[in-house]
Amino acid sequence: SQTIHQWPATLVQPVGSPLSLECTVEGTSNPNLYWYRQAAGRGLQLLFYSVGIGQISSEVPQNLSASRPQDRQFILSSKKLLLSDSGFYLCAWSDPGGADTQYFGPGTRLTVL
Amino acid sequence: DAKTTQPNSMESNEEEPVHLPCNHSTISGTDYIHWYRQLPSQGPEYVIHGLTSNVNNRMASLAIAEDRKSSTLILHRATLRDAAVYYCTPGHNAGNMLTFGGGTRLMVKP
Repeated sequence: SQTIHQWPATLVQPVGSPLSLECTVEGTSNPNLYWYRQAAGRGLQLLFYSVGIGQISSEVPQNLSASRPQDRQFILSSKKLLLSDSGFYLCAWSDPGGADTQYFGPGTRLTVL
Repeated sequence: DAKTTQPNSMESNEEEPVHLPCNHSTISGTDYIHWYRQLPSQGPEYVIHGLTSNVNNRMASLAIAEDRKSSTLILHRATLRDAAVYYCTPGHNAGNMLTFGGGTRLMVKP
């Protein structure tokens, strides 16, 4: 069966510091991968999605970036965090041949102080 | 992108059925309709999806209007564990894109 992992689970970072969040998927090949952000009490905002290694599409211009160095690894990064980057970051995967169903990881709660 | 409209919140009594509505009037003919739910501090959980016909699974039923401009998620017997935010989202074929709106916060009273 497929599983999706995210780490760390929680993170507190000062403004201006770098960020690296990691997401890995097991039990599937060539998944579509997604990064979402959820502000407190709000819906999900799609940040990036990837249909293959090295292929990243950005949905929202900001100081975040994403990379996919391996088939089942998706990384969210920032060189300098802003206060507004605080939120709940969720990684998800889907089967390209499926019915668009996405499966979400447990999330990383980021607080920027 | 298809837009969705859901009530901000709904209440239900435990053991009673719950009907959660969603309007998606701009959905395209090939988009699936997905429902997810999110418990506090957790990632969204897939509930059910459908294209045209009504669908049933162990978690819920999905009733899709004939014109596909609306759908209703049906929880047959609400439990306290069903208290969550429920998102209705049409799928987009390009990269399996889903758009999540504000969802409906379901509160279940004992």
